Amino acid sequence: SAVISQKPSRDICQRGTSLTIQCQVDSQVTMMFWYRQQPGQSLTLIATANQGSEATYESGFVIDKFPISRPNLTFSTLTVSNMSPEDSSIYLCSVLTVTRYEQYFGPGTRLTVT
Amino acid sequence: GQNIDQPTEMTATEGAIVQINCTYQTSGFNGLFWYQQHAGEAPTFLSYNVLDGLEEKGRFSSFLSRSKGYSYLLLKELQMKDSASYLCAVRDMRGSYIPTFGRGTSLIVHP
Repeated sequence: SAVISQKPSRDICQRGTSLTIQCQVDSQVTMMFWYRQQPGQSLTLIATANQGSEATYESGFVIDKFPISRPNLTFSTLTVSNMSPEDSSIYLCSVLTVTRYEQYFGPGTRLTVT
Repeated sequence: GQNIDQPTEMTATEGAIVQINCTYQTSGFNGLFWYQQHAGEAPTFLSYNVLDGLEEKGRFSSFLSRSKGYSYLLLKELQMKDSASYLCAVRDMRGSYIPTFGRGTSLIVHP
């Protein structure tokens, strides 16, 4: 298994500002992802964080809005830029273990944009 | 693409058995996952099926029929703490290991 921590756990931000969320995992993992989960909804994949290179974004998500870094195998950041109330959501970091079939999630960051 | 369907909400009585169904359509199949998510918490991994049949793990079992595009999660001896959302997720053959999640089934267990 993998233990994942995220910081901050929650934040309230003003429109137009940016927030960077950190994700740390306790072991080396093959893949790291960022998801968004809006109230009452399922998980939506934002992007795959690639070590040492640009993240791979899903349709509807762009690097200018959600820049992602992954400097090593155990750490990644997601920035939510120029926030609007529509960005209010839970943002979840997730990893795939080396076996490639068990996927684990961090505790999430609850973001409220006012 | 993928289309995953599961009931929105189910209720059951403590001590009973409940079956949560998941049907899917995918261009190629490479595994099905079940996750449990309590309100305000992250999803936790329950099971993974890639071959047909039943996988049992304590009070929870997961079944898969690839020919029917169908899976279910069976919860026995329900406890109040089993009240949660249960997410079905399917992985296809694109070469990526990333599953697509269904909307989840909210299970309410009452005394």
